[in-house]
Amino acid sequence: QLQLQESGPGLVKPSETLSLTCTVSGGSLSSSNYYWGWIRQPPGKGLEWIGNIYYSGSTYYNPSLKSRATISVDTSKNQFSLKLSSVTAADTGVYYCAALREGNNWSLFDYWGQGTLVTVSS
Amino acid sequence: EIVLTQSPATLSLSPGERATLSCRASQRVSSYLAWYQQKPGQAPRLLIYGASNRATGFPARFSASGSGTDFTLTISSLEPEDFAVYYCQQRSNWPPVYSFGQGTKLEIK
Repeated sequence: QLQLQESGPGLVKPSETLSLTCTVSGGSLSSSNYYWGWIRQPPGKGLEWIGNIYYSGSTYYNPSLKSRATISVDTSKNQFSLKLSSVTAADTGVYYCAALREGNNWSLFDYWGQGTLVTVSS
Repeated sequence: EIVLTQSPATLSLSPGERATLSCRASQRVSSYLAWYQQKPGQAPRLLIYGASNRATGFPARFSASGSGTDFTLTISSLEPEDFAVYYCQQRSNWPPVYSFGQGTKLEIK
């Protein structure tokens, strides 16, 4: 059973870069069974997909965030990371990392981290 | 970009009643449609995948159906633990872009 845990600063200044790491246990990041994603949730609002990274290294991003988001993998540490540049108060929220599985005509995020609150404020 | 619209935004029902939640897509999404349950202070939990397949751990009172652009989640007889926010989620064919609906809050009447 996979377990995911987010870590990183809880407070980021406007215009700076938000950096978060997700540590995966119970499975290998190199596995072809899973892809790895980031999803966020502003306070009191709904979920927003940020992007995914596949075991091949391919990345896909939400078009609305593509120019600011970068997801990378460190297989030696079994971690994947998110960097979001030029943050504003609108980037405040709970950030979740998640494991994505896909098959023929189905796609699901079936393991999630507990989430970490990031506040953008000076 | 495919937009998912969930209705109603809030559904007020009593335990034992039947809940019907709707998710409508702006374009056809095939079967790449999933549902998640989120309780306060918790991460979302996968409930339904492939439009109609129930995830492990959820009882048979949860069911889902739909295809194309219109999808429905049904809870046949509400239990107290079912009151939560429910989100639908889709994946576009290519490139893979994912989106969530804005959620339906199922609250106790």
